Amino acid sequence: KAGVTQTPRYLIKTRGQQVTLSCSPISGHRSVSWYQQTPGQGLQFLFEYFSETQRNKGNFPGRFSGRQFSNSRSEMNVSTLELGDSALYLCASSSVGDRVYEQYFGPGTRLTVT
Amino acid sequence: AQKVTQAQTEISVVEKEDVTLDCVYETRDTTYYLFWYKQPPSGELVFLIRRNSFDEQNEISGRYSWNFQKSTSSFNFTITASQVVDSAVYFCALSGAGSYQLTFGKGTKLSVIP
Repeated sequence: KAGVTQTPRYLIKTRGQQVTLSCSPISGHRSVSWYQQTPGQGLQFLFEYFSETQRNKGNFPGRFSGRQFSNSRSEMNVSTLELGDSALYLCASSSVGDRVYEQYFGPGTRLTVT
Repeated sequence: AQKVTQAQTEISVVEKEDVTLDCVYETRDTTYYLFWYKQPPSGELVFLIRRNSFDEQNEISGRYSWNFQKSTSSFNFTITASQVVDSAVYFCALSGAGSYQLTFGKGTKLSVIP
């Protein structure tokens, strides 16, 4: 089975721009979560989607948004980029059944804001 | 609120030594899940183990073992006969029942010296 894929892997943007990151979960996984990883704050939860519905959201400003499509693929968007948004953005998908809550992560998208 | 503490920021060991990574957690949930992830230099978080709060049985998988003690709110991870390939940052994480939101510790960077 293919793992979680994220595109693009690297991105350089300028302050004030917006960016969209994409995540394709493992086949059959319906839950997709997003995390931001920075040296200062560590790994922080952004939001989680299940069957196209956002079920949970972390403590991030409204500039951070996401969505999930009917095929479980997910996108996250950051508008009006700030220097502090530079981070590794990780997507994770989770199975159902006896492996529920086990989250498998993609390689991440490294965003640099200049 | 949930909290995960990994007091060891960095550990260095010589190859073939045993090493234990500590994890202490705080939660008010009666049902919760504990995880360990490995993050090699490539950046992808690799799932290692999930433990349910109602299952305190210790687990061994090859050179890896986990010691879950509810009485001390700890979920420690031991690598036996460490190898250079074990060099990575290891994260302990916690989620509540019904939630896919992971709360991560700050991570422990393990360096195994040949």
